[in-house]
Amino acid sequence: AQTVTQSQPEMSVQEAETVTLSCTYDTSESDYYLFWYKQPPSRQMILVIRQEAYKQQNATENRFSVNFQKAAKSFSLKISDSQLGDAAMYFCAYEGGAQKLVFGQGTRLTINP
Amino acid sequence: EPEVTQTPSHQVTQMGQEVILRCVPISNHLYFYWYRQILGQKVEFLVSFYNNEISEKSEIFDDQFSVERPDGSNFTLKIRSTKLEDSAMYFCAARRDRGIDEQFFGPGTRLTVL
Repeated sequence: AQTVTQSQPEMSVQEAETVTLSCTYDTSESDYYLFWYKQPPSRQMILVIRQEAYKQQNATENRFSVNFQKAAKSFSLKISDSQLGDAAMYFCAYEGGAQKLVFGQGTRLTINP
Repeated sequence: EPEVTQTPSHQVTQMGQEVILRCVPISNHLYFYWYRQILGQKVEFLVSFYNNEISEKSEIFDDQFSVERPDGSNFTLKIRSTKLEDSAMYFCAARRDRGIDEQFFGPGTRLTVL
């Protein structure tokens, strides 16, 4: 079974600075998708960014980018120019052939003004 | 932009009671999912549903749980006899097509079992 590990329960960063959230996963599949979801206090799950495993190019969405290392099974999220609104729980998630999302334990990100 | 909606936003029930959680997906979505998140824990897959059938279910989804799409629009999760440990946030998700779309999440229903 696939597993997703987020080794940082909590992270904090100064406003306007850059922070990187770590995620590793374990799978024997070659074709899959990886996601980062943001969960603010409202507990809504908001998709931040998505990466297809067959694409070598790292995905970017404005201030959010990933560092996808397929061989190392690593999928980190970089948030540039951190804003107060970025404060939330961030979940890394995997989706393979079973078409279901497998989530990591989450990282709580605090932005210090 | 259309959104996945869920009702109620918060449900409080007594242990042993039946609850039905409702999800209204976007109209052209065909694949449906339920996930749950116990407070302070990660989000866990419960069940996937396509073409009026369960595609896959997790070990959490035991005989106390059922899903259906009774009227072709609403997608429901029923818990027959709730337990204290069923207290959690329940998220519905839906997508138009596998492998192309991501899963769009509803805002969740917070279930509290007393």
